[in-house]
Amino acid sequence: GNSVTQMEGPVTLSEEAFLTINCTYTATGYPSLFWYVQYPGEGLQLLLKATKADDKGSNKGFEATYRKETTSFHLEKGSVQVSDSAVYFCALGVSGGYNKLIFGAGTRLAVHP
Amino acid sequence: NAGVTQTPKFQVLKTGQSMTLQCAQDMNHNSMYWYRQDPGMGLRLIYYSASEGTTDKGEVPNGYNVSRLNKREFSLRLESAAPSQTSVYFCASSFPDPSAPLHFGNGTRLTVT
Repeated sequence: GNSVTQMEGPVTLSEEAFLTINCTYTATGYPSLFWYVQYPGEGLQLLLKATKADDKGSNKGFEATYRKETTSFHLEKGSVQVSDSAVYFCALGVSGGYNKLIFGAGTRLAVHP
Repeated sequence: NAGVTQTPKFQVLKTGQSMTLQCAQDMNHNSMYWYRQDPGMGLRLIYYSASEGTTDKGEVPNGYNVSRLNKREFSLRLESAAPSQTSVYFCASSFPDPSAPLHFGNGTRLTVT
């Protein structure tokens, strides 16, 4: 079946450190891949996406590359800020006439000054 | 710029009570979804509506019912609340395309005692 596995958190970093949050997936066919971010007290917001192999999604300094050979979509940022503290969710979108996302468990990131 | 609006934001119920969570979107999306978020488990799909007039079960539908009232509104009903339904509930909407992002409301925090 379809599933998403994310690295467990929390991830604690100092400001300006390099961030990697690992995400791997299992899927039939050719899913789209997403990273969503949830700030405290809010709903999830789309951070970036990639719809086919080797695509790179990017937004707000975050990047992730759709790697079909390793079934991965790792999130990276070169220099994190305190304002990046949030929970990050990897998700895959399966086809079928609607967009039914399958989410990973989420990774909490805490960035300290 | 309302997006997806959920009501109420917070609710406390006693075991056996019923309630309806309301959701409305103003983005002309065809598809709507109800998710629940529990610690360490990410988001799990309860029910979804691919288009007006249709609803289908997701991963965890037991104990819930839904109504797609019109294109804008999708409600979730708990007929007889149980402590296991203590969770944060999110409504979302999207266009019916696997690469289309979901737009989330800010959630309803429900506690069942």
